[in-house]
Amino acid sequence: KAGVTQTPRYLIKTRGQQVTLSCSPISGHRSVSWYQQTPGQGLQFLFEYFSETQRNKGNFPGRFSGRQFSNSRSEMNVSTLELGDSALYLCASSLPASANTGELFFGEGSRLTVL
Amino acid sequence: GIQVEQSPPDLILQEGANSTLRCNFSDSVNNLQWFHQNPWGQLINLFYIPSGTKQNGRLSATTVATERYSLLYISSSQTTDSGVYFCAVSDHTGNQFYFGTGTSLTVIP
Repeated sequence: KAGVTQTPRYLIKTRGQQVTLSCSPISGHRSVSWYQQTPGQGLQFLFEYFSETQRNKGNFPGRFSGRQFSNSRSEMNVSTLELGDSALYLCASSLPASANTGELFFGEGSRLTVL
Repeated sequence: GIQVEQSPPDLILQEGANSTLRCNFSDSVNNLQWFHQNPWGQLINLFYIPSGTKQNGRLSATTVATERYSLLYISSSQTTDSGVYFCAVSDHTGNQFYFGTGTSLTVIP
């Protein structure tokens, strides 16, 4: 069974640009969540989607957005990039037994560098 | 949100030694997981353990939900155990996880 797949794995952007990251969950998983990891702030929750609906959003500015498609694949977008957006962006999928998210399985991450 | 504290922040062990990592959380939780982050950044699942005790080889974990803590035991440590260990918990909604700041483990041959 294939794991969570994130693309691209590495990317370099300049300030002011925008970026789109993609995440394909484990087959059958319907919940996808995104996390940002930086040395200073650690791992922080961005948002979570279930059946194409955003159920929860972390404390990030509106420049961070996401969506989920009918096949459960998800994308997140960051507009007007700032230096502080340089981070490892991790996607996780889960097979919730109920409305709650179950065990998380993470992808390898997308490492974004903003110059 | 839920506050998650992990201790110790850093740990250096001789190969073959045992260790205990601790995770305290500030509120009741629905789920709790332990992860090992590999050098490439991927979070590897160790345990999904909202309560009780589980064992997997040299690793075991115990969560006492009523007292709001979890422990990860590593026995007979190996150099490949080096890395950062994270504890993550979800609140009553279940769809957001809160991570601790991690324990950085270095195992010396």
